Amino acid sequence: QSALTQPASVSGSPGQSITISCTGTSSDIGDYNYVSWYQQHPGKAPKLIIYEVSNRPSGVSNRFSGSKSGNTASLTISGLQAEDEADYFCSSYTSTSTLVLFGGGTKLTVL
Amino acid sequence: QVQLQESGPGLVKPSETLSLTCTVSSYSISSGYYWGWLRQPPGMGLEWIGSIYHSGSTYYNPSLKSRVTISGDTSKNQFSLKLSSVTAADTAVYYCASTPEYYYGSGRTSYYFDYWGQGTLVTVSS
Repeated sequence: QSALTQPASVSGSPGQSITISCTGTSSDIGDYNYVSWYQQHPGKAPKLIIYEVSNRPSGVSNRFSGSKSGNTASLTISGLQAEDEADYFCSSYTSTSTLVLFGGGTKLTVL
Repeated sequence: QVQLQESGPGLVKPSETLSLTCTVSSYSISSGYYWGWLRQPPGMGLEWIGSIYHSGSTYYNPSLKSRVTISGDTSKNQFSLKLSSVTAADTAVYYCASTPEYYYGSGRTSYYFDYWGQGTLVTVSS
């Protein structure tokens, strides 16, 4: 069981928008704006797509956006494209000695 | 752009020590950043193992701390991972990755991993 909770899978049709949730606690997501999101295609390394809740690294499409409310962070992908089909992982700083937590990952299927 | 590349044995026997090295290109590891190791068991999620600050300070996941050592070699621009007393549960793809600090010497970071190596599969089996 991962420390951050994500849905196992989500799906959407091309052009649609989807949102992936990531639920933590007041020791991590709730109290700190250190949430990041990673995209991972099969057999590849994770790629940073969102950091500090809602910031996009240079080169990442503006179709990817992040937000946070209470203990839950969210990743929204708009204008869904076939190439977005991948696993998505959230991560957060935690004030516990573990320092860094990850979610179990969400498999996005583009129908 | 920072580039990272893991290297090391792909097969380790139970109870032995797993040793991996990450070679960094296009950036000096002594010029800033935290340098870390993460792993991903087959079909599962990511786990942070630990990181080393460019000053040499180390930070470990408590769940692995008793078995992990991360060290740096600035002359080779590399940092390394040693995980002792491995079992089948340590079978995973191991990644090295970088974490930026706000500005050089601050130590302050937002705890995200911006550059990653391609990963290397390490299997623990006799």
